[in-house]
Amino acid sequence: DGGITQSPKYLFRKEGQNVTLSCEQNLNHDAMYWYRQDPGQGLRLIYYSQIVNDFQKGDIAEGYSVSREKKESFPLTVTSAQKNPTAFYLCASSIRGQGSYEQYFGPGTRLTVT
Amino acid sequence: GESVGLHLPTLSVQEGDNSIINCAYSNSASDYFIWYKQESGKGPQFIIDIRSNMDKRQGQRVTVLLNKTVKHLSLQIAATQPGDSAVYFCAETTLNDYKLSFGAGTTVTVRA
Repeated sequence: DGGITQSPKYLFRKEGQNVTLSCEQNLNHDAMYWYRQDPGQGLRLIYYSQIVNDFQKGDIAEGYSVSREKKESFPLTVTSAQKNPTAFYLCASSIRGQGSYEQYFGPGTRLTVT
Repeated sequence: GESVGLHLPTLSVQEGDNSIINCAYSNSASDYFIWYKQESGKGPQFIIDIRSNMDKRQGQRVTVLLNKTVKHLSLQIAATQPGDSAVYFCAETTLNDYKLSFGAGTTVTVRA
């Protein structure tokens, strides 16, 4: 099956620890994205990558870091500098250079930091 | 700044009735729009999209209408079913950009 996988589904960490969220896609998409969703709110863009070894900050990049060493993978690290890291994190991908810009989403990772 | 938003945060609809979910956008340069459905605890799922050179597009039980004059987008769901209960988001972008801007969402609850 083609799609996007995120792991784990639930993640718990102590304050002050860095944590890395996994995102893998086998859709052969060039572009990948990370969003944050807080209760009752829409999605806010953290980082996005249009191609391997390249990525750009989104609207709320402070306290987060990413890497794009492989086309299939776009891991997100939530650092201790992120003031309020507890949230639902969504990864997405899309075809680059095509007429459609539909983004396909993974199932999400719910991160709780205490 | 420019943003995409929905008129109503919640919508309660009787099973079998038609639902209409509205979205206003402020970026006149936007030329591509998507509706997503998000069920509790899951990632958003694509419903339907529309480009700015169209004013209507139909899918299975869903219709999206685009009014560029007033920068308004709507999603109509025919014969709403319990499985349609979810949060619905509109999103917009320009075809030269890869970033989608999302509205806050409308929570649709279907009454039996």
